Amino acid sequence: QQQVKQSPQSLIVQKGGISIINCAYENTAFDYFPWYQQFPGKGPALLIAIRPDVSEKKEGRFTISFNKSAKQFSLHIMDSQPGDSATYFCAAATSGTYKYIFGTGTRLKVLA
Amino acid sequence: ETGVTQSPTHLIKTRGQQVTLRCSSQSGHNTVSWYQQALGQGPQFIFQYYREEENGRGNFPPRFSGLQFPNYSSELNVNALELDDSALYLCASSPTGQVTGELFFGEGSRLTVL
Repeated sequence: QQQVKQSPQSLIVQKGGISIINCAYENTAFDYFPWYQQFPGKGPALLIAIRPDVSEKKEGRFTISFNKSAKQFSLHIMDSQPGDSATYFCAAATSGTYKYIFGTGTRLKVLA
Repeated sequence: ETGVTQSPTHLIKTRGQQVTLRCSSQSGHNTVSWYQQALGQGPQFIFQYYREEENGRGNFPPRFSGLQFPNYSSELNVNALELDDSALYLCASSPTGQVTGELFFGEGSRLTVL
């Protein structure tokens, strides 16, 4: 019940294309869903986050879509760029705590 | 404003040894969490410290222990190292009064156990 399942494991996208990464969770107590971006040799950095009171959040080229009834959320990267090549992790947490449950990660490669 | 810094960046130990990893929190942050990231996996929560006390623990054995100091810096200690302890250990700090749960990660300490 504490798991967050992430797919796909890896993704190759052409420059300018749309990258889509999906996550699913079981625990309905989760109410904070961040996405982290990690470059090789670096720690994860917050990209964008959403709470279940909205179905979509957009920041620049990055959009989170959230489906509370299906307990699923996804990250869309529009106009993908080679600089977006990194590993992306979804996570889930309960407000007021700092214990994140991370997905297993998606390695994105954007071809120039 | 300095970010989260960790030391050492890389280290190699042998099975059975003990290791101490250090973390300096981002300025103004009074909560620190430690995560273990095995190769090709997502980070896994080890424990969290708030005001020098453990404030939550993941599914890790007691040989994983920690400390938080009055200046909010922190240590992770692992005793009786096992081969499976080989991983990237990430420290993350959180700001005082923050309710969103946003974590600010350091670059990690990569531990190899031979």
